[in-house]
Amino acid sequence: NAGVTQTPKFRILKIGQSMTLQCTQDMNHNYMYWYRQDPGMGLKLIYYSVGAGITDKGEVPNGYNVSRSTTEDFPLRLELAAPSQTSVYFCASRSSYEQYFGPGTRLTVT
Amino acid sequence: AQSVAQPEDQVNVAEGNPLTVKCTYSVSGNPYLFWYVQYPNRGLQFLLKYITGDNLVKGSYGFEAEFNKSQTSFHLKKPSALVSDSALYFCAVRDGSASKIIFGSGTRLSIRP
Repeated sequence: NAGVTQTPKFRILKIGQSMTLQCTQDMNHNYMYWYRQDPGMGLKLIYYSVGAGITDKGEVPNGYNVSRSTTEDFPLRLELAAPSQTSVYFCASRSSYEQYFGPGTRLTVT
Repeated sequence: AQSVAQPEDQVNVAEGNPLTVKCTYSVSGNPYLFWYVQYPNRGLQFLLKYITGDNLVKGSYGFEAEFNKSQTSFHLKKPSALVSDSALYFCAVRDGSASKIIFGSGTRLSIRP
């Protein structure tokens, strides 16, 4: 059982570059989420999706975009990377109640 | 709007002693409450949840949590701490009718031998 997978594990970006963080789940969950975790801090919700074709903003959506063309995939796009986006990014999916988290992507913007 | 607070950044407990990690919440509807644990350089792992029913819920690794509606709290407890319990613990809440799940800022639990 793969669960929730995220790629890449690590990435270093220069200011102004763009990239896509990939997230895939194999549990047929409708709900998917993107969070960021800054050093020593809690999780902040960036975007979430309640099903294919439906996405909505979370607490900190600025500087990010998402799409949900399939149930399995929920990529997060960073346009014009800024140092403030240096963080660890977690993707999660859920069935009825609890969430299942991926291992995270550690992103550094310099 | 839903919110959750973990008032303690760090909790220090001696091995074998009971531990409590505090969480309070605010939602407009019925709360769904969760505890997760994060070990270094890992993703979050689910510990336990309260949806409805008995106010005392039991979860993984001997942890339990008590739902208190009047105090809007959901404190995590364990009767006898282990050194291996040392980790970062997150409380989370969802308004039963909502899709968003909001996390607290986390509490670092340190168990000394």
